[in-house]
Amino acid sequence: GAVVSQHPSWVICKSGTSVKIECRSLDFQATTMFWYRQFPKQSLMLMATSNEGSKATYEQGVEKDKFLINHASLTLSTLTVTSAHPEDSSFYICSARDIGRALPLGKNNEQFFGPGTRLTVL
Amino acid sequence: ELKVEQNPLFLSMQEGKNYTIYCNYSTTSDRLYWYRQDPGKSLESLFVLLSNGAVKQEGRLMASLDTKARLSTLHITAAVHDLSATYFCAVVDDYKLSFGAGTTVTVRA
Repeated sequence: GAVVSQHPSWVICKSGTSVKIECRSLDFQATTMFWYRQFPKQSLMLMATSNEGSKATYEQGVEKDKFLINHASLTLSTLTVTSAHPEDSSFYICSARDIGRALPLGKNNEQFFGPGTRLTVL
Repeated sequence: ELKVEQNPLFLSMQEGKNYTIYCNYSTTSDRLYWYRQDPGKSLESLFVLLSNGAVKQEGRLMASLDTKARLSTLHITAAVHDLSATYFCAVVDDYKLSFGAGTTVTVRA
């Protein structure tokens, strides 16, 4: 249980194009999903919090017009990197928070991570 | 702002020996996580620690939490090659996770 998928797993695009990454919770409902970015040999940095049916909350320094987030349903959030540039090349990881009450102690509100998407902008 | 510090950042382990990774955080939190990341992969959840004095063990890994000292440790017993990876601690701040910088572990024969 608590499986999160991401698509695509990797993508290569030309500078100036836009790329959409999908994050899906496969066997649970997630009112909240999180988008992280990880540069090589660095830690995960939270970019934004995606709430179903409302606007995303962006962390300081993250351009909301460049990283468009849509959380249209309880199982899907999308991140669109608009006008991508080489400096946007990174590993993007989403997580989903399961609010289900039937989970073992400690699992409530835990974030479950997707497998990540490797973005390379040429 | 919550700060999470891990040390060491790099750890070269000899097979069969014991080692400890430390995670300090700056403000109170009600839970702390340990994750493992293999190169090119996402995070694998290892432990969630919920209360002061919590101790969890899985195989050669044992994690503990001291909320008064704002310190968690990840202890590795009799290191083996399969444990080579990067280990992150993460602390819940409100509903968000703040990650430590990670400890890259290499186990050598």
